[in-house]
Amino acid sequence: QQPVQSPQAVILREGEDAVINCSSSKALYSVHWYRQKHGEAPVFLMILLKGGEQKGHEKISASFNEKKQQSSLYLTASQLSYSGTYFCGTPERSYDKVIFGPGTSLSVIP
Amino acid sequence: DAGVTQSPTHLIKTRGQQVTLRCSPKSGHDTVSWYQQALGQGPQFIFQYYEEEERQRGNFPDRFSGHQFPNYSSELNVNALLLGDSALYLCATTSYRPSSGANVLTFGAGSRLTVL
Repeated sequence: QQPVQSPQAVILREGEDAVINCSSSKALYSVHWYRQKHGEAPVFLMILLKGGEQKGHEKISASFNEKKQQSSLYLTASQLSYSGTYFCGTPERSYDKVIFGPGTSLSVIP
Repeated sequence: DAGVTQSPTHLIKTRGQQVTLRCSPKSGHDTVSWYQQALGQGPQFIFQYYEEEERQRGNFPDRFSGHQFPNYSSELNVNALLLGDSALYLCATTSYRPSSGANVLTFGAGSRLTVL
């Protein structure tokens, strides 16, 4: 079952913060986050493996609440280069099959 | 060594035709997955190949078939094309990333198929 993402779209000015949420009705064993810029392939950002785990990648970080079956991606002090569509992916229990959410479009404007 | 290479980058077909898309993974990457990404949506899993066998399959009709060769490259075939098959088709390989402690996907740039 496909995870749910919110919001669908967000527009930020440079320097503002944003949070993107990903949730599932099924138990989450891990959560992947990818970013896809217009006309390009999705690029891996980070993976969270355990409930409560938090990770950071430059000014982009994420948390994983296994109990609530959700993950959040935090973008702080956004830059123009952060624009793109962010997808969360939840691997099935079986090996490697990753099911992606519908994506959140993020636009950072000057 | 380049990452995942896909060909062709763009193609146009008409309804009822057949299409073959190709994927060349990075050297040594033996697991290849195919995804369909319709405009404005997330990638939808089609199937995965490992050691020349289809290991997992998503909710796609039999019109979608694939193949993996001994060098790990892969093909996606779609028969009897429908208008709804218009999409970006992404190939992804799986590799272990030590910094993450897990397997992650590396995507190719995709093949954009338009069915008229």
